[in-house]
Amino acid sequence: NAGVTQTPKFQVLKTGQSMTLQCAQDMNHEYMSWYRQDPGMGLRLIHYSVGAGITDQGEVPNGYNVSRSTTEDFPLRLLSAAPSQTSVYFCASSRGGTGAGNQPQHFGDGTRLSIL
Amino acid sequence: KQEVTQIPAALSVPEGENLVLNCSFTDSAIYNLQWFRQDPGKGLTSLLLIQSSQREQTSGRLNASLDKSSGRSTLYIAASQPGDSATYLCAVTLSNTGKLIFGQGTTLQVKP
Repeated sequence: NAGVTQTPKFQVLKTGQSMTLQCAQDMNHEYMSWYRQDPGMGLRLIHYSVGAGITDQGEVPNGYNVSRSTTEDFPLRLLSAAPSQTSVYFCASSRGGTGAGNQPQHFGDGTRLSIL
Repeated sequence: KQEVTQIPAALSVPEGENLVLNCSFTDSAIYNLQWFRQDPGKGLTSLLLIQSSQREQTSGRLNASLDKSSGRSTLYIAASQPGDSATYLCAVTLSNTGKLIFGQGTTLQVKP
């Protein structure tokens, strides 16, 4: 199994550009999340989804959009990139249903994004 | 607001030592606590998950404990090896949604 696949692995953008970070999982997981990891800040939740068609905001949602049209995919869109969005972005997935909160989370290898 | 703190930020030990990593959280109303390992340039790998009703979990040389009343968890690594060198993160879940609140991590170096 591929698990959680994130593309691209690296990206450099100019301020004001837009782009989409891709995340796909092949484990039929219902729950998917996006986190950003910054030095000294740990990982912070951007957006999450508990199933196709259902999304909600996390701790730091401003400047990002998400949609969940299929169980497998959960893309993260940067609307107008800003230097403050320079970070490493991680996508995670886990099983839903009864006891979903106690399911281990599976993470992708991350997308390293630099905004100039 | 739930805050998760990990001390120390970095730790260097000789191979073979037993060691303890610490994690504290401010709100005891957690759903569970998880320990992750992160290798440089990689994503996170789940090591242990302790449900709120449990006191500890074990996997091989790893043992994690949870004391909700004091807001603390420890990750005990027995007989450390150079391959254990990585950043270890703890995270708490507040509800059944699976949303995680992370500590900043402890970077461990085990010297041969």
